[in-house]
Amino acid sequence: DTAVSQTPKYLVTQMGNDKSIKCEQNLGHDTMYWYKQDSKKFLKIMFSYNNKELIINETVPNRFSPKSPDKAHLNLHINSLELGDSAVYFCASSPLGNTIYFGEGSWLTVV
Amino acid sequence: GESVGLHLPTLSVQEGDSAVIKCTYSDSASNYFPWYKQELGKRPQLIIDIRSNVGEKKDQRIAVTLNKTAKHFSLHITETQPEDSAVYFCAAPYGNNRLAFGKGNQVVVIP
Repeated sequence: DTAVSQTPKYLVTQMGNDKSIKCEQNLGHDTMYWYKQDSKKFLKIMFSYNNKELIINETVPNRFSPKSPDKAHLNLHINSLELGDSAVYFCASSPLGNTIYFGEGSWLTVV
Repeated sequence: GESVGLHLPTLSVQEGDSAVIKCTYSDSASNYFPWYKQELGKRPQLIIDIRSNVGEKKDQRIAVTLNKTAKHFSLHITETQPEDSAVYFCAAPYGNNRLAFGKGNQVVVIP
């Protein structure tokens, strides 16, 4: 009964590959997010969707493309992976303007 | 040259002592101030939050105080225990439906 679940948890891939991370929430929240946490632990918002509509798109390379097929899902696709993309990617959801609930994280390592 | 490694501010405390972490914000319209705890290898989780209409909130050994005039809020952990060792993030809303996270503070409780 995990509230925000994301897969895969660990991903090791070569530079230049394309990969996707999937996220689902069963909390009924309208808003979903993708955050990136680098090796220095900075938590940076990448994208936010509200009811399948993109509302926040921070300065992220357009190799990163989020997709929200419905309000319970927000997937992240990354093209042409680079070494600097190595990080932990957290999916999250929230009722609008309130507590953010994070998924368990996806550890991406680009080699 | 390039420095490698974490650049988190670190607070080391003896078990049983108190720990205080302060966070400043810039948007005077902010009205919601959460603190998140992230244990090693885990997701950030909300531990306490405060709204701008109160000055202090307490939940067992943790408390949050808010100084709206000075635009800062602090996390207080009393009688620290080894399981309090973690990275703590403050956050504050900005713009429309955005929650900005602070840099994170590493707390190390020494048994």
